[in-house]
Amino acid sequence: AQRVTQPEKLLSVFKGAPVELKCNYSYSGSPELFWYVQYSRQRLQLLLRHISRESIKGFTADLNKGETSFHLKKPFAQEEDSAMYYCALSGSSGSARQLTFGSGTQLTVLP
Amino acid sequence: DGGITQSPKYLFRKEGQNVTLSCEQNLNHDAMYWYRQDPGQGLRLIYYSQIVNDFQKGDIAEGYSVSREKKESFPLTVTSAQKNPTAFYLCASSIARGGSYGYTFGSGTRLTVV
Repeated sequence: AQRVTQPEKLLSVFKGAPVELKCNYSYSGSPELFWYVQYSRQRLQLLLRHISRESIKGFTADLNKGETSFHLKKPFAQEEDSAMYYCALSGSSGSARQLTFGSGTQLTVLP
Repeated sequence: DGGITQSPKYLFRKEGQNVTLSCEQNLNHDAMYWYRQDPGQGLRLIYYSQIVNDFQKGDIAEGYSVSREKKESFPLTVTSAQKNPTAFYLCASSIARGGSYGYTFGSGTRLTVV
């Protein structure tokens, strides 16, 4: 079974402060991890994926297999970063790949 | 303009009625998915389909049914057997076996039982 845990439902930081959204997972195989973001009144969209090791909108996330974590970080938060963030794991079930989502973290960046 | 279209945006259902949510994609994706989004619970998988005329139950399939007669379309029927259907429903698609590329999501349908 695959599971994703986001321990913080709500997170508030001030503009310019660092932000870290936590994500832990459990999966017996080799996982692929993603972060999705949902801005107000917009559709859910892919933010970044661990396999590409990219930085999007200043956000980065490193897969730590030892700690089974994939925390999302940004050194200086901006007000436009306020959104709901979902961590997701892609694991194979038979020949299919399915995404399992965490419960989400609502990030609010205060002015 | 490629993407996924869900309709309607808002849907109201009376107790005991079946309703069907539409999901159409023009991305030429093989796989399609239905998720239910509830506050505090994230997204839970209802059904998924890897290929035309084939689909599999997800984690919360009870009270729902789907069909996949065309590659572009994956409608979801919420039956009267679904005890708590009021929720936000999201459809997604992906390249088959394309976990590394993630999913593309529709804008969702909000279903309310009245």
